[in-house]
Parts: sequence; C-alpha cells; structure tokens
Amino acid sequence: DTGVSQDPRHKITKRGQNVTFRCDPISEHNRLYWYRQTLGQGPEFLTYFQNEAQLEKSRLLSDRFSAERPKGSFSTLEIQRTEQGDSAMYLCASSFREGPDTQYFGPGTRLTVL
Amino acid sequence: AQSVSQHNHHVILSEAASLELGCNYSYGGTVNLFWYVQYPGQHLQLLLKYFSGDPLVKGIKGFEAEFIKSKFSFNLRKPSVQWSDTAEYFCAVNAAGNNRKLIWGLGTSLAVNP
Repeated sequence: DTGVSQDPRHKITKRGQNVTFRCDPISEHNRLYWYRQTLGQGPEFLTYFQNEAQLEKSRLLSDRFSAERPKGSFSTLEIQRTEQGDSAMYLCASSFREGPDTQYFGPGTRLTVL
Repeated sequence: AQSVSQHNHHVILSEAASLELGCNYSYGGTVNLFWYVQYPGQHLQLLLKYFSGDPLVKGIKGFEAEFIKSKFSFNLRKPSVQWSDTAEYFCAVNAAGNNRKLIWGLGTSLAVNP
C-alpha cells in the first residue's frame, strides 16, 4: 500500500497527558497537511508543510499543539497537556506540489481524552 | 473568509433513485473544488475535482458535478444510486494559487436502502 499512513489509528489518553501522532505521506509528495475532524463536522485545517517548512498554521492550533516535519518526509503532531476538547479524529493528507494539487488522505488517528 | 455550505445533512434514498447534493461556497476569487467520500469505516477518498475547463466533471463510480460560477455552486449528482453509495459526502474548496488549505462543508450523510 503506497497511500498515506498514520500511526497510531486509535489513542486513548487521560487529560493532561501528552500525545504524539505520526504521518507518513505518499513518497513523492512534498506537501503535507494536518486536519482535525469532530463528529458531525467536516475536517478543519490545522497546518501544512511544504517539504520541511511549516507554511501555515490555523488559529485552531493552540500553543499546546506542535507539528514538525524534520526531513521533509514524515510528520509528527504533538498535543501537550491534552484536554477533553481535543478528542477528535486527526487527519493527515499529502499532495504533490506541481500544479493544482489534490490532497490524499490517510485513515486518521482517533484521539479520545478521558 | 471562505466558507462551504452543504444544504442536505441527511439524505435517504432507495436504490435506483437519482441523487443531487448541493454545495455552495463563499469566495470571491478563483477556486478549486472537490467532492470527497467517506465510506463507513474507511478514510476520505477523492470522488471528483474541478480545477478549470469544462464545468461538468465526471468522477469515479458514476458521479458527476457541475460548477456554476455565477451561483458559486458545485452540486454532486448521480442518476441512479446503489446501496454501496451509502457514505458521508464532503464538498471542499481551496483558493487557486498558493493557499492550499481545504475549506470543508459539514458533510451529507447518504443512506441508500436496498
């Protein structure tokens, strides 16, 4: 399977704990995106990278959230001091830079904060 | 600010019925338009997209959508639905150019009864 992969698929944590998610994009894609989706809603943009540069961050991304893409390949999204409101599906997508881009999505990481 | 509105949140149809899901967006500039589908238990998949050219675009599984610029609309259609079309459908938009983040509608849940 050469699609976008995410790990873990499910994460249950207690409030106040830190969690980290990983996304591996499609290999030739140099743009990588993070979205968050809650029940009954469409995905909401969090941040995106072109290669290793983080080019845009949503105001939704509070200072407890940090994302990295250190070598322009995989990316991590860390949430510090988790809150119950952080419970959501965290989606990663990737695209290829040339021309109008189509984003391809991974299966997501479902976070439950108890 | 950009926004996307999907008119129908829940649709129930019988097999062989025709489908039309409404999508309107709010943005003054040139846009790229997408419909994604999420089958139960699966990740978001691209159904079809419009970047430029013929405003009637055809996607996978017999779906099509028509971009009407004057109405800021990109409605999804299928002449005859099947039980396997049961899924969540999302309309998404991004601004053509450097701003790549997708802005999403709330989604439409489609249930097709056999």
